[in-house]
Amino acid sequence: DTGVSQDPRHKITKRGQNVTFRCDPISEHNRLYWYRQTLGQGPEFLTYFQNEAQLEKSRLLSDRFSAERPKGSFSTLEIQRTEQGDSAMYLCASSLARSSGGRAHEQFFGPGTRLTVL
Amino acid sequence: TQLLEQSPQFLSIQEGENLTVYCNSSSVFSSLQWYRQEPGEGPVLLVTVVTGGEVKKLKRLTFQFGDARKDSSLHITAAQTGDTGLYLCAGAWNQFYFGTGTSLTVIP
Repeated sequence: DTGVSQDPRHKITKRGQNVTFRCDPISEHNRLYWYRQTLGQGPEFLTYFQNEAQLEKSRLLSDRFSAERPKGSFSTLEIQRTEQGDSAMYLCASSLARSSGGRAHEQFFGPGTRLTVL
Repeated sequence: TQLLEQSPQFLSIQEGENLTVYCNSSSVFSSLQWYRQEPGEGPVLLVTVVTGGEVKKLKRLTFQFGDARKDSSLHITAAQTGDTGLYLCAGAWNQFYFGTGTSLTVIP
């Protein structure tokens, strides 16, 4: 299977704990995106990488959130000192940015990590 | 600020009926994607439209991109229970901007 994979699929944690999620993109894709989604809503952009460079972060992303893509392949999203409001589905997607204008064309999603903060 | 507005937000119809979902924006996009998402899963890409005025068909689904590349529609003919899900549009520029979503329920 060469699709986007995410681990874990589900995470239950207590308020104040740190959690880390992993995303493995489609192998030839150079862009990787993180989103947060609450029930019945569209995905909310968090951040994205082109290769190992983090090109954009949402202003909604607090200092407790950090993402890395150290070798331009897999990525991790860490949430420190989790709060109940962090409970959501965390989605990862990848795409192949085209050389002409660097504009993304299509992105493909992983199955998501469902986070529940008690 | 939501760049893309979808309507309706909720839709419940009988099996066999037709429906249209709209995705509107004041911004121009280089392309637009439609996704369907089932509970507990990630969105699955249905189609990408690139050219203004483009129409694409995927079995009973017809997708149209507006001439100005600011809006799009998804039409489903003879809906089936398997069409139930959250339909999302996403406009592409340097990153992707998602719509508010349309939750479709098809009743047998």
